[in-house]
Amino acid sequence: ETGVTQSPTHLIKTRGQQVTLRCSSQSGHNTVSWYQQALGQGPQFIFQYYREEENGRGNFPPRFSGLQFPNYSSELNVNALELDDSALYLCASSRGFLNEKLFFGSGTQLSVL
Amino acid sequence: AQTVTQSQPEMSVQEAETVTLSCTYDTSESDYYLFWYKQPPSRQMILVIRQEAYKQQNATENRFSVNFQKAAKSFSLKISDSQLGDAAMYFCAYRRGNNNDMRFGAGTRLTVKP
Repeated sequence: ETGVTQSPTHLIKTRGQQVTLRCSSQSGHNTVSWYQQALGQGPQFIFQYYREEENGRGNFPPRFSGLQFPNYSSELNVNALELDDSALYLCASSRGFLNEKLFFGSGTQLSVL
Repeated sequence: AQTVTQSQPEMSVQEAETVTLSCTYDTSESDYYLFWYKQPPSRQMILVIRQEAYKQQNATENRFSVNFQKAAKSFSLKISDSQLGDAAMYFCAYRRGNNNDMRFGAGTRLTVKP
């Protein structure tokens, strides 16, 4: 059984650019959640995808968007990058959207210069 | 809004001894879940233990146990027989029963001294 994998592990972008982060969920999991973890803070919920549809969203602007594919892998897209978007982005998968047992990836560290 | 507070930015424990990490939360809900996650340098968040609010019995997972005080809205984690591999950031988290938005505290960095 493969775990949750995220790519890339590190990324450097400049302000105003766009970025796409990728996540492969654990085998058998149909739900993916994305979190943003700023330096020295706990993760903050961005949104969740369940069966290819957005199923809940945290307090993030529309320039944060996502996709989930038929194989349940997922993308997080951020447009018009701002300096404050610099953070670790974590993906977590689960069986079902209210399953409290989340399996996390090791994250993508995004730096915006 | 539900908030989670971890008042100890850093804690230290001697190997083989016991340490308790504190967490308080604020909610008006009756149906919710509480969690402790561990984040080692690999950055992957690992579930340590969870507690359903409707259960009065404190959860236990091997060397890890919680002290859940519902009226006080307190949820502390006790680590017994601490091991070097327990060194990590520990995050307390809250999730409302019918909601997929998990709220995390700011974390406690645990150091284990040999």
